Amino acid sequence: DVKVTQSSRYLVKRTGEKVFLECVQDMDHENMFWYRQDPGLGLRLIYFSYDVKMKEKGDIPEGYSVSREKKERFSLILESASTNQTSMYLCASSYGTEETQYFGPGTRLLVL
Amino acid sequence: AQSVTQLGSHVSVSEGALVLLRCNYSSSVPPYLFWYVQYPNQGLQLLLKYTTGATLVKGINGFEAEFKKSETSFHLTKPSAHMSDAAEYFCAVGGFSGNTGKLIFGQGTTLQVKP
Repeated sequence: DVKVTQSSRYLVKRTGEKVFLECVQDMDHENMFWYRQDPGLGLRLIYFSYDVKMKEKGDIPEGYSVSREKKERFSLILESASTNQTSMYLCASSYGTEETQYFGPGTRLLVL
Repeated sequence: AQSVTQLGSHVSVSEGALVLLRCNYSSSVPPYLFWYVQYPNQGLQLLLKYTTGATLVKGINGFEAEFKKSETSFHLTKPSAHMSDAAEYFCAVGGFSGNTGKLIFGQGTTLQVKP
């Protein structure tokens, strides 16, 4: 079974803090994705990566950056957290030519 | 451009009744279509997918969906709802981004099952 893990289930941070969300997958998948999920808005793609050190912006990249130094790990960085970044963050991965995405359990982030 | 519309943000059914969750898509290329389920405080889990071939797709937990190209639809059904089906359901479309595997998700439909 594919396993995607996220470093934290719940996180509380202060406005202005730098926040790191980590995602690790164990299936040697090329593609990795970060989404945020908000009520009524579904899943919105923040960034994705299709190879090590490769990244592309999704639909809502502002205020976020990412890092992929190793194939199995994809990090989402909030450079200076703001209250409007309070959300559920979901990581996913997929094999290059197979579009099924496998999701981690999510990190619920609260920015105070 | 690709898009997904899920009709109805909330659907309520009685236990044992038919479940019908609606999904319409727009795609400039032959689509790959997915349904995912999300239980409270969990990530998304694949229910079923259509890529090519048979247009009626069977998934886990008794769910199935039919790809209707003429209607650009991929509605999810289950003959008899169970209390454990209460969750949020997402329809997604892919097949347009080469090997990057990008998907476009709908806004989700919350299914409530009443005893």
